Amino acid sequence: GAVVSQHPSRVICKSGTSVKIECRSLDFQATTMFWYRQFPKQSLMLMATSNEGSKATYEQGVEKDKFLINHASLTLSTLTVTSAHPEDSSFYICSAKGAARESPLHFGNGTRLTVT
Amino acid sequence: AQKVTQAQTEISVVEKEDVTLDCVYETRDTTYYLFWYKQPPSGELVFLIRRNSFDEQNEISGRYSWNFQKSTSSFNFTITASQVVDSAVYFCALSEIGVTGGGNKLTFGTGTQLKVEL
Repeated sequence: GAVVSQHPSRVICKSGTSVKIECRSLDFQATTMFWYRQFPKQSLMLMATSNEGSKATYEQGVEKDKFLINHASLTLSTLTVTSAHPEDSSFYICSAKGAARESPLHFGNGTRLTVT
Repeated sequence: AQKVTQAQTEISVVEKEDVTLDCVYETRDTTYYLFWYKQPPSGELVFLIRRNSFDEQNEISGRYSWNFQKSTSSFNFTITASQVVDSAVYFCALSEIGVTGGGNKLTFGTGTQLKVEL
């Protein structure tokens, strides 16, 4: 079964509204979570890395005020797309790993965001 | 900086043919992980393999096999006797191993769309 649950799987929202995406680790403590974005027919691009209890580290070109990441517990990270616009429409996918060096990386099933 | 190149954008084969997906990577790290993921139309990423750069042994898992050549920085993936269900986008990826366990952010290639037809 899935070890990382991502919710919602699909969301449609109106331009200007905010959308929150949740990423939960189900049976392990996720000390680090990663958020990726994938535009249609393109690769996955890392947006940010979050460690539990710390501020997220954003990749170059990703607006931290627009994509708010919270990793307040060892089992939950959230990505909030604020004031969404049609160009934010994309597939967002999270991944999580535990603290051990050899911990495997687990991906959520992704969230398809459509901004109208 | 890390980089992963999948030069094949799209491959079409007929069922039962063998097919090899190429992956070439660049990294300054002396130790790293290499991955292959399958992404079917539904979008989720299906983990196929993780290979440590220390281990250059080739691996076989059922119809899947991987050829890791550190000398040429390649990590190619072969599907033997392809099936329609193999149709998907396949991504090769690279990550640092990480000293404290906080690593493992992945650099993905651009993916190869595999279409297996009857």
